[in-house]
Amino acid sequence: DGGITQSPKYLFRKEGQNVTLSCEQNLNHDAMYWYRQDPGQGLRLIYYSQIVNDFQKGDIAEGYSVSREKKESFPLTVTSAQKNPTAFYLCASSIARGLETQYFGPGTRLLVL
Amino acid sequence: GDSVTQMEGPVTLSEEAFLTINCTYTATGYPSLFWYVQYPGEGLQLLLKATKADDKGSNKGFEATYRKETTSFHLEKGSVQVSDSAVYFCALTLRDSSYKLIFGSGTRLLVRP
Repeated sequence: DGGITQSPKYLFRKEGQNVTLSCEQNLNHDAMYWYRQDPGQGLRLIYYSQIVNDFQKGDIAEGYSVSREKKESFPLTVTSAQKNPTAFYLCASSIARGLETQYFGPGTRLLVL
Repeated sequence: GDSVTQMEGPVTLSEEAFLTINCTYTATGYPSLFWYVQYPGEGLQLLLKATKADDKGSNKGFEATYRKETTSFHLEKGSVQVSDSAVYFCALTLRDSSYKLIFGSGTRLLVRP
């Protein structure tokens, strides 16, 4: 089955620690995205990548970093500089052509200890 | 700037009632419009989309029509079920290089038996 997988489902971060969220897709999509969702709010774009080895900051990139070394993978690192990391993180992908639909993974919930 | 505005929830209905969730948008270009649904603890699923004026998207009994003159994309369903209880997000994608989705804040629907 084609789709997007995210792991882990729940992640706990200690103060001052960097943590990495995994996102993998086997849809052969060129573009991938990371969104953050806070309770009762819509999604906000953190980073996106349209092609391997290239990525762009979204609306709330501060305190986050990404890499895109393979087409299938787009990991997100939440650094210690992100002072309020508790949120639900969603990864998405799309064919990078025009206005194609984005498909979402099941999400990772990050909690701070 | 570009934005999406949805009616605030929660919307509480009895089973078999008629549903309308209002969505209006502001966009500098000519966007594509989407409705996504999020069940508790899960990622987003595409419900329907429309890419040009007067297009009607439909899926699982839900419908929405792209109204350029009123910049609206209201979601409707003739007879809701308990299983439709979820959070519904209206979103747009711009015709620029980012392909990013801009989301509304979401509307929670609760359907009672």
